[in-house]
Amino acid sequence: GAGVSQSPSNKVTEKGKDVELRCDPISGHTALYWYRQSLGQGLEFLIYFQGNSAPDKSGLPSDRFSAERTGGSVSTLTIQRTQQEDSAVYLCASSLADSTNNYGYTFGSGTRLTVV
Amino acid sequence: GEDVEQSLFLSVREGDSSVINCTYTDSSSTYLYWYKQEPGAGLQLLTYIFSNMDMKQDQRLTVLLNKKDKHLSLRIADTQTGDSAIYFCAVQRRAGTALIFGKGTTLSVSS
Repeated sequence: GAGVSQSPSNKVTEKGKDVELRCDPISGHTALYWYRQSLGQGLEFLIYFQGNSAPDKSGLPSDRFSAERTGGSVSTLTIQRTQQEDSAVYLCASSLADSTNNYGYTFGSGTRLTVV
Repeated sequence: GEDVEQSLFLSVREGDSSVINCTYTDSSSTYLYWYKQEPGAGLQLLTYIFSNMDMKQDQRLTVLLNKKDKHLSLRIADTQTGDSAIYFCAVQRRAGTALIFGKGTTLSVSS
């Protein structure tokens, strides 16, 4: 598609439930990133996929968070047993960048997650 | 770990210049970026600079890099009300790695 698409745009869930957030990157972009934007906290890096390499999971805040990227395209971020502190905007970005060639990220509009 | 700091708020009058400042800790940062976020929207890349450059100008935007002090600034000339947004500084150590963002500076432009 023309841009990075994220769904749903808004999600309200009850504490303790699992949620799945989806990201459709720009076609052909090999790199995909998930960030979390909490009020007043800026953007927190969560996880990075590059082609077929093992993902960089160093930013995931707990083992309740996991992400997959199927077929090198669509990615799903899963949060298990959601807590109120998980409430944030979850942003996905994709890029043509690899370890030798750098290109800017294109961000999606995000999924606003509210845990009640 | 890597840290990127920005002042949280800046208020200017329409037509004035705005200067948004950023400091970072990782001296290995190779790529430095400025992103803009308007309400309800994703982040939009405004401009970037390589660590071997001191300055980059792009229309109303001027980026200055002081590598010795690890200080990056974004100057917006002739600021307009449409420039009101949150501006994020981000640094990246090498190609393809994660960007590390500051908390963002909210720019408010009054007419």
